Amino acid sequence: NAGVMQNPRHLVRRRGQEARLRCSPMKGHSHVYWYRQLPEEGLKFMVYLQKENIIDESGMPKERFSAEFPKEGPSILRIQQVVRGDSAAYFCASSPRADPLLSPGNTIYFGEGSWLTVV
Amino acid sequence: TQLLEQSPQFLSIQEGENLTVYCNSSSVFSSLQWYRQEPGEGPVLLVTVVTGGEVKKLKRLTFQFGDARKDSSLHITAAQPGDTGLYLCAGVWLQNSGGSNYKLTFGKGTLLTVNP
Repeated sequence: NAGVMQNPRHLVRRRGQEARLRCSPMKGHSHVYWYRQLPEEGLKFMVYLQKENIIDESGMPKERFSAEFPKEGPSILRIQQVVRGDSAAYFCASSPRADPLLSPGNTIYFGEGSWLTVV
Repeated sequence: TQLLEQSPQFLSIQEGENLTVYCNSSSVFSSLQWYRQEPGEGPVLLVTVVTGGEVKKLKRLTFQFGDARKDSSLHITAAQPGDTGLYLCAGVWLQNSGGSNYKLTFGKGTLLTVNP
């Protein structure tokens, strides 16, 4: 079983450009979560999506950031007009159910991350 | 806002030593997880604890969830260089009464270095 696949693994963008990060969840998983890890910070929740729906975007910055999880294809985290403060590792995770974390047998699986550097 | 405090932030020990790292919060969590993250990689789940007072063992790692479900500890016995990494705790709480929306709140982690 392939794990959660993220690409690109590393991305360099100049200030003002757009960054698109892609996440293919594990097979059979229809729930996707995006987290951001800033240097010397913990992972911060950004958004939780199900197929074609945004369930919780309480962690998304109000401007320039958007996420989608279309019926077909990977989930996309899009950052418009990037600034240096957007430089971070962005992790995607997926789960097969909506309540994956209540019991030891359920969990979410993280991808290996996409490292964005804004120069 | 639920916050998790992890301590110590950094820990450097010699191979064979024992260690304990802590995760504390002012909030009650539905469950708590421990992850290990290596440089350039995503976090990998080690354990999930759900019941207050619960103790789980994973080889040389012992995890405990506080009775009040506000704190947890990770104890490693006879640490090895392969245990080196960033240990993260993450708590989950019920977002909506419908019970279908959960998200992880992570601590900043304990960076463990085990020297040979």
